[in-house]
Amino acid sequence: RKEVEQDPGPFNVPEGATVAFNCTYSNSASQSFFWYRQDCRKEPKLLMSVYSSGNEDGRFTAQLNRASQYISLLIRDSKLSDSATYLCVVNGGAYSGAGSYQLTFGKGTKLSVIP
Amino acid sequence: SAVISQKPSRDICQRGTSLTIQCQVDSQVTMMFWYRQQPGQSLTLIATANQGSEATYESGFVIDKFPISRPNLTFSTLTVSNMSPEDSSIYLCSVGDDNEQFFGPGTRLTVL
Repeated sequence: RKEVEQDPGPFNVPEGATVAFNCTYSNSASQSFFWYRQDCRKEPKLLMSVYSSGNEDGRFTAQLNRASQYISLLIRDSKLSDSATYLCVVNGGAYSGAGSYQLTFGKGTKLSVIP
Repeated sequence: SAVISQKPSRDICQRGTSLTIQCQVDSQVTMMFWYRQQPGQSLTLIATANQGSEATYESGFVIDKFPISRPNLTFSTLTVSNMSPEDSSIYLCSVGDDNEQFFGPGTRLTVL
């Protein structure tokens, strides 16, 4: 079983649509969860952290279900500029040394917002 | 936040040769990380580089193939040795902690 699994897409949605991405993770010891955004030929950048209580940042809502080991990202009122690959990232629970834990990345879900 | 630069940004190399990638950070950091992102794949951690000690390699990666230097708190290098076409990938360095990782722009390597 893959450690972090995502639907690769692509998701092609019209401007203004609402789109949801899902992610499952296999390591129950994972402690931190994130969504990163990666534009074409660019490096990944943090979009938002995911908290157990769920959190919202403007048009973006992230939710975590620890019992099901499931993370989601909801994007409302999609913009053309939202077109990117969204990476689900999980703190793998494996200690990298010096106080940090290894991050495990999903393959990403590609989103294309169409005019 | 951290600003990270990498050199070279891209290269095309012949099999059997080696390439050294440089990573420079604008602030002092304890740990630097080297990742690989192969086409259509997720980022995979190669190793963690700490200043003053040997790098810690992840399963499937060995020092002979990917030697790493960490001479100070703002700089690291990753060498891809004895390259084969399977090493064609984007190599990224990053810094950060449990809350956020900042990535360099990546080095796009093509091995012929």
